[in-house]
Formats: sequence, C-alpha cells, structure tokens
Amino acid sequence: GAGVSQSPSNKVTEKGKDVELRCDPISGHTALYWYRQSLGQGLEFLIYFQGNSAPDKSGLPSDRFSAERTGGSVSTLTIQRTQQEDSAVYLCASSLGGSKKTQYFGPGTRLLVL
Amino acid sequence: ELKVEQNPLFLSMQEGKNYTIYCNYSTTSDRLYWYRQDPGKSLESLFVLLSNGAVKQEGRLMASLDTKARLSTLHITAAVHDLSATYFCAVDSTNTGNQFYFGTGTSLTVIP
Repeated sequence: GAGVSQSPSNKVTEKGKDVELRCDPISGHTALYWYRQSLGQGLEFLIYFQGNSAPDKSGLPSDRFSAERTGGSVSTLTIQRTQQEDSAVYLCASSLGGSKKTQYFGPGTRLLVL
Repeated sequence: ELKVEQNPLFLSMQEGKNYTIYCNYSTTSDRLYWYRQDPGKSLESLFVLLSNGAVKQEGRLMASLDTKARLSTLHITAAVHDLSATYFCAVDSTNTGNQFYFGTGTSLTVIP
C-alpha cells in the first residue's frame, strides 16, 4: 500500500523567504509527527498531531515554525523568514496512534536556505 | 530532560564478525524502537520492543530490552556488507505524552 509521502523532495530557498512542506500520511493513521534531521545528526522532534489537534508543540524551535493538519490527514509545516540554520531534512512520520505507535517515515524534504 | 544515548556512535567491522550496539535511556518507558537509515534515505522500522525482557530477531539482527536497566541492545551476528547503515533507537515517554526521543544514531560500516 501507499506509504507516507512528502513534497517537495528538495527545496532551495533564499534567506528570509517562507516555505511550506507537505506530508501525506498513511491512510487511517491518526497520529502524525514532524522531525528535523541536520546533516549527520539524529532526529529532533518538532510537533505531534493526534487527528487535527496538536497536543504537543514543544519541539518547535521558534515562533517562525508552525504546522497544521486538516481533515485528520494532510499536514503542512511552515517556516517563516527562513534562516540558514533551518537547512536540514524535514521528516514526517505517521502511526495508528494509541498503543500501536510504530512510526512509518516519509522520504523527507531536503531544505537548503541560501 | 529525557536522554537517549547510543554507543558506539561509529562502528567499523569486518564481515563475519559479531558486535553489539547499546541504547541507554533516562526515563521510564515500556516501548523501545529500532530503526535503520540508509544514506540519503528515510528511516525504516526494524523492531518494536514492548515489554521488559522482550527479544526480537530478524536475520542477522537481534534486539532486546531491559526496562529495569533502561537498556536495549542490537546484536549483529556474522555481519555482511548490506547491514551498513545508521541505526537509531527511540523511546516514547509515557510520562511526557506522545513525544518520541531518538538516540544520536550508530553509523555502521561493514568492511568486506
């Protein structure tokens, strides 16, 4: 079946511009997660959605970062006024939620801020 | 703050050898996950360990969990080149809701 998809796969932007990253989770998965992975580093948790609500936004690094999820499915992560330190791979994952928490990851969006 | 530490960070081993990767975490958690990441790729789920004493095996990889010691191990038996990848462990903290905490990763290179 279809896995988690993300778009765009690559994004190059200029410092100060806004970017939107999209995640389509696996159908039926109620939980959705965003992570950031800098080059050669581990995963940094950004935000978690259960359905359309985001009970845990604690990982968002600044108020330039925001995310929403509509219809319990697609999610967008928006970075306003991008900075060079925002350059990273942004990974989305989804899971069935509840006690079945194995996360299935998308291919990621590679963001480069010049 | 919950910490998940992996040891070693980098591992170079010859084909046919055995080795163990360690994952220590600092808070109560009943669930531990192992993932594999190939260069330039996303993460692939390997194992989910759901209780103390859980052991799971797939091919040349075997994972175990000791919740009392807050330790998980990923044992590699008779390594082959195809196992070269970065391996991450992760825990979800029942104390802090649904946030997942990932280890720093262990970069494994298997040399022919």
